[in-house]
Amino acid sequence: QVQLVESGGGVVQPGRSLRLSCAASGFTFSSYAMHWVRQAPGKGLEWVAVISYDESNTNYADSVKGRFTISRDNSKNTLYLQMNSLRAEDTAVYYCAKVPDCSSTSCYRAFDPWGQGTLVTVSS
Amino acid sequence: DIQMTQSPSSLSASVGDRVTITCRASQSISTYLNWYQQKPGKAPKFLIYAASSLQSGVPSRFSGSGSGTDFTFTISSLQPEDFATYYCQQSYSTPLTFGQGTKVEIK
Repeated sequence: QVQLVESGGGVVQPGRSLRLSCAASGFTFSSYAMHWVRQAPGKGLEWVAVISYDESNTNYADSVKGRFTISRDNSKNTLYLQMNSLRAEDTAVYYCAKVPDCSSTSCYRAFDPWGQGTLVTVSS
Repeated sequence: DIQMTQSPSSLSASVGDRVTITCRASQSISTYLNWYQQKPGKAPKFLIYAASSLQSGVPSRFSGSGSGTDFTFTISSLQPEDFATYYCQQSYSTPLTFGQGTKVEIK
């Protein structure tokens, strides 16, 4: 079955960097676009970034543009999120998510399944 | 950016009740609307895509409807495992945006 396992979260000081990883298994990773979505403690869901299956296209939320970089290594079945210049407002659980298998263009920008998430806390 | 507004923010209901949640987009998104369920401490689960299509394996008591700017999510007969927070999400254009969530609680 499809499995997504995030890692790399932790406590980091404002202005520092952190790299998250998402190890994928159970599907042909190199065939699917992948997303990062985050959720601040007690808050709703916020889309962060997407990368195409072949890394040719990326797109970011304005809140992270210029600070975060999404990338992937299809030979390692792994998705990454490099987070620089971290701010307190970046504190959240970060989820990676696969584009779902469903027969609709609505699915091209949907999320299924999700990993279990990794908590990033930005605090001095 | 497309703003998604859900109502209500929370509701109390009993097992067996019919529950309806609405989601409104700030501009027309055709049927590019998805729904998710999230239980405390867990990742969201994908339920409905394209406004009304049930994802494989999702119980038929869940349904969705709507197009343009106004959408509805319905649980026909609430079950104990359905107490959770539900989110709508537009997949019409980036940045992809979610509604603020609707928490369904036990009455």
